[in-house]
Amino acid sequence: NAGVTQTPKFQVLKTGQSMTLQCAQDMNHEYMSWYRQDPGMGLRLIHYSVGAGITDQGEVPNGYNVSRSTTEDFPLRLLSAAPSQTSVYFCASSSGTGNSPLHFGNGTRLTVT
Amino acid sequence: SQKIEQNSEALNIQEGKTATLTCNYTNYSPAYLQWYRQDPGRGPVFLLLIRENEKEKRKERLKVTFDTTLKQSLFHITASQPADSATYLCALSTSGTYKYIFGTGTRLKVLA
Repeated sequence: NAGVTQTPKFQVLKTGQSMTLQCAQDMNHEYMSWYRQDPGMGLRLIHYSVGAGITDQGEVPNGYNVSRSTTEDFPLRLLSAAPSQTSVYFCASSSGTGNSPLHFGNGTRLTVT
Repeated sequence: SQKIEQNSEALNIQEGKTATLTCNYTNYSPAYLQWYRQDPGRGPVFLLLIRENEKEKRKERLKVTFDTTLKQSLFHITASQPADSATYLCALSTSGTYKYIFGTGTRLKVLA
């Protein structure tokens, strides 16, 4: 029972490089989302998806792209990494709206130098 | 703007005592409030959900209260154990939305 799987666990990028953070879930959840967690800021929503082919912006979407071609996968793309994107990134999924618990992956720790 | 506040300072308590964590919010009318546990290097794990029309919810040694007049939730862990040491996050959401707002979390340390 894998739940939500994120890869990689750690990543170091140079400013201007691009990369994709991977997220996969095996619970057949329609809703998936990406958060970033910074000290003293709490979890902030970057992008979310309510089903394959449907995505929308969260609180802090700038500098990130997403797409959802399958129910299982929801990758997060950094187009041109900046030091301000140094953070821990979490992917989460749920079966419904606000009355459903979120299932989180174990995060990707990204450092941009 | 919407704001959630949790005690930013760590909470240290003796084993066996009841730990009480606070979640206050402003400029928001949540339909649901959730509590999560987060261990170092791991993602948050769901613990409890309480609805706006519920005053209290219990699960084993955990109890959550929700006061929409005070705009506050209290999270209690009774008979606390060192294994309960973690950061606890509260999250708010409204009905029909996929957007959750998280607090910054309170770090709890239970001393043996």
